[in-house]
Amino acid sequence: AQTVTQSQPEMSVQEAETVTLSCTYDTSESDYYLFWYKQPPSRQMILVIRQEAYKQQNATENRFSVNFQKAAKSFSLKISDSQLGDAAMYFCAYRSDTNAGKSTFGDGTTLTVKP
Amino acid sequence: NAGVTQTPKFRILKIGQSMTLQCAQDMNHNYMYWYRQDPGMGLKLIYYSVGAGITDKGEVPNGYNVSRSTTEDFPLRLELAAPSQTSVYFCASRREGGATNEKLFFGSGTQLSVL
Repeated sequence: AQTVTQSQPEMSVQEAETVTLSCTYDTSESDYYLFWYKQPPSRQMILVIRQEAYKQQNATENRFSVNFQKAAKSFSLKISDSQLGDAAMYFCAYRSDTNAGKSTFGDGTTLTVKP
Repeated sequence: NAGVTQTPKFRILKIGQSMTLQCAQDMNHNYMYWYRQDPGMGLKLIYYSVGAGITDKGEVPNGYNVSRSTTEDFPLRLELAAPSQTSVYFCASRREGGATNEKLFFGSGTQLSVL
């Protein structure tokens, strides 16, 4: 079974600065997908960014980018120019390419943005 | 387009009571999932379905049951509620086929307390 580990329960960043959230995973599969989801206090789950394991190029979405290291099974999220609205819990998720595409989530990192 | 609709949003149960959490999606998604999120933790898969009439257990199925009689609906049944089932429950769906990196569409969650 796959596991996803987020080793930072809490992180904080000053507004306008950059922060990196860590995620590692364990799998024996070669094809899979990785995601970062944001969960604000409203509880809604919002997709931030996604990465296909077969792509070497790191995904970017505006101020959000990832550092995907397949051999190291690492998938960190970098948030640049942090904004107050970025404050939320962030979940790293792994999705298998087989087996009904079930997703496994990490325990989350709570991000605080200081004005 | 409503997306994934969950009802109720909040519920308090007494120990031993039963209830059904409703989930409906209007996107014609074949894949549907039920997750629970305990305080400060990530999402754990309870049950999932790959299509009408087909369901299977996830990581934490004990104390729950599901059915999938239509593509749209995927209700989660709690029998003999226990305090350990106090959690936030999320229903999610996604499209089969096409780009397999399709994100999960989440409902807004049901906050359940068992006292």
